Amino acid sequence: DAKTTQPNSMESNEEEPVHLPCNHSTISGTDYIHWYRQLPSQGPEYVIHGLTSNVNNRMASLAIAEDRKSSTLILHRATLRDAAVYYCILRPPRDNQGGKLIFGQGTELSVKP
Amino acid sequence: NAGVTQTPKFRVLKTGQSMTLLCAQDMNHEYMYWYRQDPGMGLRLIHYSVGEGTTAKGEVPDGYNVSRLKKQNFLLGLESAAPSQTSVYFCASSYPKGGREETQYFGPGTRLLVL
Repeated sequence: DAKTTQPNSMESNEEEPVHLPCNHSTISGTDYIHWYRQLPSQGPEYVIHGLTSNVNNRMASLAIAEDRKSSTLILHRATLRDAAVYYCILRPPRDNQGGKLIFGQGTELSVKP
Repeated sequence: NAGVTQTPKFRVLKTGQSMTLLCAQDMNHEYMYWYRQDPGMGLRLIHYSVGEGTTAKGEVPDGYNVSRLKKQNFLLGLESAAPSQTSVYFCASSYPKGGREETQYFGPGTRLLVL
């Protein structure tokens, strides 16, 4: 399984943008890049995913490097409710293994008022 | 829709006792998963199921058994609990829309303490 590398922790101020980096130098051409986050004492929740092009949704934006060896999750205006652990996960091509997610340790984002 | 629900929310067991954790989803999802999360770590896959009546081992299956007798339910069993199984257990489900893009929906977790 291709690995991802994320900083252990990051800090942000409320209402400022946050850029969460992820390195995945061994990504294969068919791996999707998924981001999940886990709020305190809750299960993970899906944030966004992409393959090659940048993606936007109501929660965040995903910027993918041209060589796909890294990506950045962008929260445009951090709120206190965005304080969570953010996981960058590579999804391998469909196989008979049920589409499992391989979680790393993620980045713990703290947001200061 | 309730989404993914887990029962119980919290349980204390003594070493050697057995118990079953129940996961239920009302989204008609084909795939279901059991993960565990130890303090300060990411989630690790225990077992998963790609459909009713089928199960498969994940990353850390030892000491656990699972059953998927109904599409909406996925049971995780501990036959003889050990302190090393103290953890938070998360269930998830997904629908194989296109093969690589399935979003997994997680339950709120079950906290298990084995003394």
